[in-house]
Amino acid sequence: GIQVEQSPPDLILQEGANSTLRCNFSDSVNNLQWFHQNPWGQLINLFYIPSGTKQNGRLSATTVATERYSLLYISSSQTTDSGVYFCAVERDNQGGKLIFGQGTELSVKP
Amino acid sequence: EPEVTQTPSHQVTQMGQEVILRCVPISNHLYFYWYRQILGQKVEFLVSFYNNEISEKSEIFDDQFSVERPDGSNFTLKIRSTKLEDSAMYFCASTLLGVDTQYFGPGTRLTVL
Repeated sequence: GIQVEQSPPDLILQEGANSTLRCNFSDSVNNLQWFHQNPWGQLINLFYIPSGTKQNGRLSATTVATERYSLLYISSSQTTDSGVYFCAVERDNQGGKLIFGQGTELSVKP
Repeated sequence: EPEVTQTPSHQVTQMGQEVILRCVPISNHLYFYWYRQILGQKVEFLVSFYNNEISEKSEIFDDQFSVERPDGSNFTLKIRSTKLEDSAMYFCASTLLGVDTQYFGPGTRLTVL
């Protein structure tokens, strides 16, 4: 099956710093989503981004489908950005089956 | 903004008991999913459901599991005889279209003793 690898596994930042999270996937996909799992365990949609670039406030994401990777940028990080960031992908004709990466655990220190 | 809701938020059960986890997807959505996350691990797909049928299921989704859409609003996951290893957070999700943003509910934390 498709492999999804996220890096780095852990990241510690000072408030105000910028960061880039990476997601590599091993096959072509028709769906890619980024999620933030907050300390209460909720999975919050950040982006639906099978290709191209999107921005939402301090967050932006880019997916280069032909090279099978996606990047999530967090600028001017805040303590509320702490949590685990997951990338999830779906291959064609898989009935909506999202395959998740292992996540990047981000800790933003005040 | 519409959201997916799940009940209960936390369920504790004895091994061997049946549990039903309930979800109310976003009202105009057509595709429904269940995922689970064992503590400290990644999220795993269980099953997808469309037009009152299972579209796709994982190897985790064995005969102990079943899904149902009993009415126009609820979507349920039943575990017939729970095992210790079923302890996990269970997430429901829904989408309007088949290939689209999946919106996740807040999860039900299942603890099997």
